[in-house]
This record gives sequence, structure tokens and C-alpha cells, in this order.
Amino acid sequence: QSALTQPASVSGSPGQSITISCTGTSSDVGGFNYVSWYQQHPGKAPKLMIYAVTNRPSGVSNRFSGSKSGDTASLTISGLQAEDEADYYCSSYTSSSTFEGVFGTGTKVTVL
Amino acid sequence: EVQLVQSDAEAKKPGESLKISCKGSGYTFTTYWIGWVRQMPGQGLEWMGIVYPGDSETRYSPSFRGQVTISADKAINTAYLQWSTLKGSDTAMYYCVRRHHYNVDYWGQGTWVSVSS
Repeated sequence: QSALTQPASVSGSPGQSITISCTGTSSDVGGFNYVSWYQQHPGKAPKLMIYAVTNRPSGVSNRFSGSKSGDTASLTISGLQAEDEADYYCSSYTSSSTFEGVFGTGTKVTVL
Repeated sequence: EVQLVQSDAEAKKPGESLKISCKGSGYTFTTYWIGWVRQMPGQGLEWMGIVYPGDSETRYSPSFRGQVTISADKAINTAYLQWSTLKGSDTAMYYCVRRHHYNVDYWGQGTWVSVSS
């Protein structure tokens, strides 16, 4: 069961927009609308930011948005702020294994 | 308010056994899957497995099947992750999570497990 592929790092200046990709296959990201994104600050538990590809939980800033095209999902952070500096992980349902969940490799977001 | 409260950090020796816990509150414990996620130092997130407290059905990620046991006691709204024989490579942070429609919507605070002689 291979992890979904994310870039190791993405950076941007305050106020800019950045996009993090999450590439899988037709057996996971491309085949189902069960992609989620999690933010993890150092020493903290992850926090749900986006679920079902495009949905934001209550309390999450509308600067965070999700999308999907083919086998690649994306998380966009607009109006980048210092507090957005964290690790971000995608996850998806998968039909390609005896276990139905898989995480991405993780992306470190740095605010310059 | 939904909460998942995990047991405290553990320091164990190789070969020892361990059972850590995760108590759910603020929702109907028996109607959501509870999962366990491993995060080794400086590494990413890995699914270990999940349990449905309503009927104790359990599913394991291939990498962890046979290495750990996941269970739940619905009478006390608590899920468990246990090892019979710990190894140094089990040193990690372990998170319990609530799964809703294949999304993890709540996370416990994490339990740090250190295994060293």
C-alpha cells in the first residue's frame, strides 16, 4: 500500500497563494471523492482542514480550499499567513488494498 | 464537544508488552470507527488499523497486521492499541482518531511510546 505522493516542501511569502499537490491513482484519489487534508504544527496533533475533496469543517479559514483533477488532489492556501507554516498531509480512501485508507507523504509549508 | 483522550506517555524496554488507550466522549461511541495512526520521529502519518466499537469489527493495514492488536470496550467508550512484544522500532507517537465517512474528523492528543534498553 503506497503512500500518496506530495512535494516535500512548498514555500511562499505572506499574502501569496500556494498549492500543495497529492498524487495517487484511479484506485484512490482519482476514483473516489474521499480526499482529506490535515495540518500539523510541530509537537501537535494533526487537524482536519478539508474533507471530501472540497469541504471545510466549521472553524477552518476560507483561505483553505481543496480541489481534484484526475488522480491529483490539491490544497490551496490563499493569503498566506505566518500561522500557516506547518506540515500538511493528504489522505484518501483506497480500493487497492485490504485496508481502505492511505496518507500522503507530507509537505512542509514555509512562510518566507 | 467531541473528545478523544489518550493515555499518558510510556517508556518501555524491548520485549515488554504494552496497551495504550483512547477514551471517546461527546458523541455516540458505538457508531463511529476509531483508528490508530503511527508517526515515527520526524516522519509522516501511517494508518495502523481501525475498530468499530459497535460490534468490535477490526481491520488492519497490511504493515501492522500481526504486529499489534486493536480492540474496543463499548461499555466504557474506550479503544485500545496493544503490543505483546515491543521493539525499538515501535518508538513513535500514536494517535487515535475518529473516522467519519472515510475522513478523520477528530484526533486524540497522541501517546508517545519510547522503547529502549
